[in-house]
Amino acid sequence: QVQLQQSGAELVKPGSSVKISCKASGYTFTSYDMHWIKQQPGNGLEWIGWIYPGNGNTKYNQKFNGKATLTADKSSSTAYMQLSSLTSEDSAVYFCARWYYGGFFDYWGQGVMVTVSS
Amino acid sequence: DVVLTQTPVAQPVTLGDQASISCRSSQSLVHSNGNTYLEWYLQKPGQSPQLLIYKVSNRFSGVPDRFIGSGSGSDFTLKISRVEPEDLGVYYCFQATHDPYTFGAGTKLELK
Repeated sequence: QVQLQQSGAELVKPGSSVKISCKASGYTFTSYDMHWIKQQPGNGLEWIGWIYPGNGNTKYNQKFNGKATLTADKSSSTAYMQLSSLTSEDSAVYFCARWYYGGFFDYWGQGVMVTVSS
Repeated sequence: DVVLTQTPVAQPVTLGDQASISCRSSQSLVHSNGNTYLEWYLQKPGQSPQLLIYKVSNRFSGVPDRFIGSGSGSDFTLKISRVEPEDLGVYYCFQATHDPYTFGAGTKLELK
């Protein structure tokens, strides 16, 4: 069955970077876009962007240009998101989600909590 | 960016009641290909969101028929008939017609 297994919680310092992962299994990784979504504590959801692992194409929400970098490793069926120049505003739970052809997120990872604190 | 306005912010319900959530968009969600990419997700406490409805009115696999999505253009509604305990949580509408994709702020379905 389809699973998206995300990496563990991160505690990072302001100004640093962090790279979180989303390991896919149960389907052909290279055939579906992988999206990333941010959820700040007590807040709603914010779409960050997507990557198509088949060819590495990406699309970002302009708000996250320069903040998030999406990559994918076909050999390990893993998608990554690097967040740079971290501030307290980046403290959030980050989800990966598979985009199905019909135009929706059908599977989600369990989320990764990133806490930015000195 | 497209703004999705959900009302109410919170919906207190009694189990077995009907609940209704509105999602209004700042612009039409009809895509140039004719589809309307308006979805509804439910996030239960401590969990990831889960898909309920896609393209306005299509129930995702395994979603009970007490969930009904409707609407067109920029005005959409999710109705839940006969609310059950597992329906409690925060409901989000989401649009994937316009870049960037956006979510509504959420509606919390809670017990009275």
